[in-house]
Amino acid sequence: QLRLQESGPGVVRPAETLSLSCSVFYGAIDGSSYYWGWLRQPPGKGLEWIGSVYYNGNTYDNPSLRSRISISVDTSANRFSLRLRSVSAADTAVYYCARHGVGWEIPAWGRGTLVTVFS
Amino acid sequence: QSVLTQPPSASGTPGQRVTISCFGSNSNIGSNYVFWYQQLPGAAPKLLVYRNNQRPSGVPDRFSGSKSVTSASLAINGLRPEDEADYYCSTWDDSLSGHVVFGGGTKVTVL
Repeated sequence: QLRLQESGPGVVRPAETLSLSCSVFYGAIDGSSYYWGWLRQPPGKGLEWIGSVYYNGNTYDNPSLRSRISISVDTSANRFSLRLRSVSAADTAVYYCARHGVGWEIPAWGRGTLVTVFS
Repeated sequence: QSVLTQPPSASGTPGQRVTISCFGSNSNIGSNYVFWYQQLPGAAPKLLVYRNNQRPSGVPDRFSGSKSVTSASLAINGLRPEDEADYYCSTWDDSLSGHVVFGGGTKVTVL
């Protein structure tokens, strides 16, 4: 059964860069025709898609975050990563990594990791 | 402000039918499949419906999705206490080079 696990610092200072990685277990990133994505959920609020990456590095991203995000994939390590630049308190959220299905549905999610922007 | 519009709350007694609406536009629901997710407190979302009305393996048939032009609905038949959760609709939006969009979520309360 595919498992996704987020990792990264739980606290980031304002104006710095948030960096998260997602390790993929029991499935190969480059072994399937799926996109691998990042989503987030501010405390008490709804879900927001950040962006997704294909095993060859092609990406789609949220237009509202496009200028601040980079999503990359490391097939040798079977993981993908998110970098979000110039963070503010508004970026405080639970960040999920996920795998899309054949369409853009998301059948597989990580457990999520809380990132707090705090000085 | 979410791209897709859902009511913030819905409720029902055990055994009742509850329906959640999701309104979009031609560039999103009108052109693409709709998905529904259930999020229990403290947990990651779970896919309930994909391709407008298909259920992944393991999702009870009490949950059903439908779509009509630029709107979609999720129905929960035979409401159970364990159905108390947040529900989100989602789809692909063709505008701005394409992106995934969500509704603001609907909190379902079992009275």
